[in-house]
Amino acid sequence: GENVEQHPSTLSVQEGDSAVIKCTYSDSASNYFPWYKQELGKRPQLIIDIRSNVGEKKDQRIAVTLNKTAKHFSLHITETQPEDSAVYFCAPHQAGTALIFGKGTTLSVSS
Amino acid sequence: EPEVTQTPSHQVTQMGQEVILRCVPISNHLYFYWYRQILGQKVEFLVSFYNNEISEKSEIFDDQFSVERPDGSNFTLKIRSTKLEDSAMYFCASTLYRIDEAFFGQGTRLTVV
Repeated sequence: GENVEQHPSTLSVQEGDSAVIKCTYSDSASNYFPWYKQELGKRPQLIIDIRSNVGEKKDQRIAVTLNKTAKHFSLHITETQPEDSAVYFCAPHQAGTALIFGKGTTLSVSS
Repeated sequence: EPEVTQTPSHQVTQMGQEVILRCVPISNHLYFYWYRQILGQKVEFLVSFYNNEISEKSEIFDDQFSVERPDGSNFTLKIRSTKLEDSAMYFCASTLYRIDEAFFGQGTRLTVV
């Protein structure tokens, strides 16, 4: 099965700084790479995803980059705001398998 | 906007009792999932369901768990004889395609006493 590692486990930044969270995976057959955000007491929600035929995708302040050779993908948040404070989960997977979440990264943005 | 709904939002049960957690996935979605999250920990996969049968399950999903789609809209998770360690938030999710954005319900917080 897929072995997923996220780093760092916690990240504290000042408002306006950038944040980067990395996810490494073991299964080379993985071809879908989403990031989910979970605010305290809420459900996980997709914030950005990328498929294996694309190296980078951007949506306003959020971007995801994929390195299939090295089997990792990263979430980049620029100009962080307090409302970005949450737990972020990566969930790389392939057809025929369910989403398996990483252990999560707790991002704290202080103003 | 369509969303996944779960009932109840909070359930307290005595150890050894059976509980049924209910979910209504988004109506045109084809793939259904149950996850659980123990407080402060990661979201753990339990089971996936497609075409009226289980397509994948984790080690957590042992004989005390079962899932059912009793009609065209509901998707249920039954825990036959609850243990203290079953206390967690249980999330239902659905997707339209096999590889796609998963939409999560708001969760059912199960407390076993």
